[in-house]
Amino acid sequence: SQQGEEDPQALSIQEGENATMNCSYKTSINNLQWYRQNSGRGLVHLILIRSNEREKHSGRLRVTLDTSKKSSSLLITASRAADTASYFCATVGSSASKIIFGSGTRLSIRP
Amino acid sequence: NAGVTQTPKFQVLKTGQSMTLQCAQDMNHNSMYWYRQDPGMGLRLIYYSASEGTTDKGEVPNGYNVSRLNKREFSLRLESAAPSQTSVYFCASKGTVNTGELFFGEGSRLTVL
Repeated sequence: SQQGEEDPQALSIQEGENATMNCSYKTSINNLQWYRQNSGRGLVHLILIRSNEREKHSGRLRVTLDTSKKSSSLLITASRAADTASYFCATVGSSASKIIFGSGTRLSIRP
Repeated sequence: NAGVTQTPKFQVLKTGQSMTLQCAQDMNHNSMYWYRQDPGMGLRLIYYSASEGTTDKGEVPNGYNVSRLNKREFSLRLESAAPSQTSVYFCASKGTVNTGELFFGEGSRLTVL
């Protein structure tokens, strides 16, 4: 099974609302990253949070990390139609080389 | 600056045939990766190369071989293709060791009949 499991699998919200997706993982990590994928294309990096950080912001994105619960969340504020995509968490192991992806959340933004 | 380039973009094989997916990056990155993505699923790590001269198994290595030809190139070979290997394959690279994001190619769609 994959290192990261994401919840929910699918999320549909109204434009302007906030979207929250969660990621749980199993083993210790060096850092955790979030990626976006549009329509089966290559993934694009959004944000990285190190294991000694608890929260990080980038524009409309807010990421939290709780290493005691082995979980992370991605919050997208004031959603836009262009945010419609699949979002994946990726855990980077202690070797800092092996990178395992979660199962993803499909986000749909309704106009 | 092309980033990560994968070839071919599309391929149809018959069961038992062999093929090699090519990946090249022009960002002078140390680490390179091969993932597969099945419909509606996340990415699963096949093999990775932390640095030139090293390769390691990922989550789903069976049925695949890799070669880190040089710092720029990392190829994935299917020796005897099976229908279960029908998937979209993504190559990615990463510059730094301790942190750093993955840069992805656009994917190679493989169908095995």
